[in-house]
Amino acid sequence: EPEVTQTPSHQVTQMGQEVILRCVPISNHLYFYWYRQILGQKVEFLVSFYNNEISEKSEIFDDQFSVERPDGSNFTLKIRSTKLEDSAMYFCAAGGQGQQETQYFGPGTRLLVL
Amino acid sequence: AQTVTQSQPEMSVQEAETVTLSCTYDTSESDYYLFWYKQPPSRQMILVIRQEAYKQQNATENRFSVNFQKAAKSFSLKISDSQLGDAAMYFCAYRFPTSGTYKYIFGTGTRLKVLA
Repeated sequence: EPEVTQTPSHQVTQMGQEVILRCVPISNHLYFYWYRQILGQKVEFLVSFYNNEISEKSEIFDDQFSVERPDGSNFTLKIRSTKLEDSAMYFCAAGGQGQQETQYFGPGTRLLVL
Repeated sequence: AQTVTQSQPEMSVQEAETVTLSCTYDTSESDYYLFWYKQPPSRQMILVIRQEAYKQQNATENRFSVNFQKAAKSFSLKISDSQLGDAAMYFCAYRFPTSGTYKYIFGTGTRLKVLA
């Protein structure tokens, strides 16, 4: 099965600090996503990204969040000033073009904000 | 609004037995996909099986199969010959096209315990 990779696997940061979570999607995938899962809760959609721009974002994805794909390979999620409630597992996902394409998840980054 | 409901927070099954996890969804769309993802303690999301809404035939992947009832908006997962490695959180997900891309909505999950 194709692999999406994410770095770091774990990140601990102080409240108010900026964090950047990185994702390397599968090379021929065109659609990219970030999801969040607070411990013990369901997976929540944050943002989708296609053709170098945001396609859709949820209400969670406020001005503290941004995404980009600067070099055509890495797909990053930046949280500008982290809050305690940002502590969660963050999953990157990638999918190909077409309705029949499945979305593949990365292993996740566990973010802890102290 | 699209919603996905998993009404069983936790299920248990004896090793080698069969278990069925329930999922219902609500949508007005006609073109969508349904998925089951497995999340073991490592918390990685692993695709188990998927079902295209336009297909009447239920999807099957080895010991995993679904019972897709489109009119009832029901999408249950059956695990046959359960193994200890099947113990995990299982999430049902619904995918639909939106804004030129696709959006997934997940249920709250069912924790499956496999008893030796």
